Amino acid sequence: KNQVEQSPQSLIILEGKNCTLQCNYTVSPFSNLRWYKQDTGRGPVSLTIMTFSENTKSNGRYTATLDADTKQSSLHITASQLSDSASYICVVSRYILTGGGNKLTFGTGTQLKVEL
Amino acid sequence: NAGVTQTPKFRVLKTGQSMTLLCAQDMNHEYMYWYRQDPGMGLRLIHYSVGEGTTAKGEVPDGYNVSRLKKQNFLLGLESAAPSQTSVYFCASSYLGHEQYFGPGTRLTVT
Repeated sequence: KNQVEQSPQSLIILEGKNCTLQCNYTVSPFSNLRWYKQDTGRGPVSLTIMTFSENTKSNGRYTATLDADTKQSSLHITASQLSDSASYICVVSRYILTGGGNKLTFGTGTQLKVEL
Repeated sequence: NAGVTQTPKFRVLKTGQSMTLLCAQDMNHEYMYWYRQDPGMGLRLIHYSVGEGTTAKGEVPDGYNVSRLKKQNFLLGLESAAPSQTSVYFCASSYLGHEQYFGPGTRLTVT
């Protein structure tokens, strides 16, 4: 079964600290892995997209890693800010063998709260 | 450039009523999608479209219909709303199968 599991479910950190969010997936055949940030009451916004051959990708203070062998990804946030408070969603895309195209499987997200 | 917009932002329906959610994008994207987001669950695909005049079922299509009469618009219809359709609905668009851009969402409550 194609699944994406994220941990922890929620996290509280102090402003300025670093944190790492985890994503494990069983989606196959793998196409790419995406991390989205979703602010409360808003739609998800893409942070990074990684293909099979990429094992690290950065976007400012956000760094995503991918280990396609173990089917794990992480999102590291450096020097957190209050504005980082949001839900972070891991999304894995798989190829559709019959008919073509891609299909996305969404994780349930990690709810991050950054406090003073 | 407004990106992806959704109308309305909030709506309350009684069981059995019907309504249409409108999604519009100004990025000339071929692909458009409708998702629902429920507490404790990942976004789930309802229907999608790979071009004007074409639609296809997603993961949870029952109780919903869609139309893509114009490239920039994707409509989601509920013919007879049920409490199980209480959810937040997101529209997204993409250039082919690449990065998806999401709208701000529509919060629907069915009583």
